[in-house]
Amino acid sequence: ETGVTQTPRHLVMGMTNKKSLKCEQHLGHNAMYWYKQSAKKPLELMFVYNFKEQTENNSVPSRFSPECPNSSHLFLHLHTLQPEDSALYLCASSQGVVNTEAFFGQGTRLTVV
Amino acid sequence: GDSVTQMEGPVTLSEEAFLTINCTYTATGYPSLFWYVQYPGEGLQLLLKATKADDKGSNKGFEATYRKETTSFHLEKGSVQVSDSAVYFCALSQIQGAQKLVFGQGTRLTINP
Repeated sequence: ETGVTQTPRHLVMGMTNKKSLKCEQHLGHNAMYWYKQSAKKPLELMFVYNFKEQTENNSVPSRFSPECPNSSHLFLHLHTLQPEDSALYLCASSQGVVNTEAFFGQGTRLTVV
Repeated sequence: GDSVTQMEGPVTLSEEAFLTINCTYTATGYPSLFWYVQYPGEGLQLLLKATKADDKGSNKGFEATYRKETTSFHLEKGSVQVSDSAVYFCALSQIQGAQKLVFGQGTRLTINP
């Protein structure tokens, strides 16, 4: 148990569907992150939230829409995705201080058909 | 911008062999450095960290020393086990507005009995 829980673990969706990924942490952390992990590519930072405010959007297409209603919850809303968006989406949280580590969820394996 | 470069994988070793995975970084200021490990089907877990120059992080027989003069943080283990088979990620942490974690591309390690 890492303290960061992601749901669902697996998701298959059509290109016209709308779905949401959920991330929850009970570690008292202030910062939350979405990463995309594709085969044979580096881990890509997508979004950063600090105290519920978005502080980083790493040129992510608008078909990915994050939401952070409070410091414990982070969502990633998905709509009109492309097959190349199929990947493992990882959520992480941290205290937001430079010398502290991030704690990761187990990820959501997304397949777009 | 900040970046992390790891040696290309995959790396395949026999049990009890010596392991080195090279990691170099480019960053302004004084980042903290981390090694994470990802086992199949799981998210990333912190393996070890170092928060200032000449610090040595260690855990489970793995070690890495923060070398500011060579901007490196190489991972080493004297005698690897089959259970060490995983993907290893080097990462740095900076404060740019909020805490930002930048990862290397990952190195897949396979240990044969």
